Amino acid sequence: AQSVSQHNHHVILSEAASLELGCNYSYGGTVNLFWYVQYPGQHLQLLLKYFSGDPLVKGIKGFEAEFIKSKFSFNLRKPSVQWSDTAEYFCAVNSREAAGNKLTFGGGTRVLVKP
Amino acid sequence: EAEVAQSPRYKITEKSQAVAFWCDPISGHATLYWYRQILGQGPELLVQFQDESVVDDSQLPKDRFSAERLKGVDSTLKIQPAELGDSAMYLCASSLMSSVNEQYFGPGTRLTVT
Repeated sequence: AQSVSQHNHHVILSEAASLELGCNYSYGGTVNLFWYVQYPGQHLQLLLKYFSGDPLVKGIKGFEAEFIKSKFSFNLRKPSVQWSDTAEYFCAVNSREAAGNKLTFGGGTRVLVKP
Repeated sequence: EAEVAQSPRYKITEKSQAVAFWCDPISGHATLYWYRQILGQGPELLVQFQDESVVDDSQLPKDRFSAERLKGVDSTLKIQPAELGDSAMYLCASSLMSSVNEQYFGPGTRLTVT
């Protein structure tokens, strides 16, 4: 069974600081990788996704993520955060070999950006 | 922009009572998912539909949970009887197909069982 680990449960940083959130997955086959974000009071929305090709993926709002296959990692980064990036971030994986489109989520990282 | 609709947004019920949640996916989306998100954790898939058929319900506690999508459009998730441990956010998502496609999430129903 696949699993996803997000190492930091809470991150607090100041505006303009750089952000990096770790995500590691456990699965031996080929995977698709996602980062979802949930802003306060809003529903989950897709930040970025990796299916194949360039392992450095750019998403919305200045976020990017790098897939490192040898490390089973898909870390999320943003060079300079804003107060509006305060949210909870979820890494998710699904298997290309398995039927359906089931997403396995990590436990989430709550990010608080201080103005 | 089309959205996944869910109702109610909040539900408080006593244990041993029955409770039901409703989801209306984005128009044209054939695949519908119900996830449960316990506080402090990521969402976990309960059941997946492709049109009106169940594709995956391996994590659905079938002794008390049931889900249906009779006409392949909207869906209902039911719990009977509710238990204290069922307190969670219940999320509905939809995607165009069950192949690799972005899943669009609704706002969720927050259930509190007392």
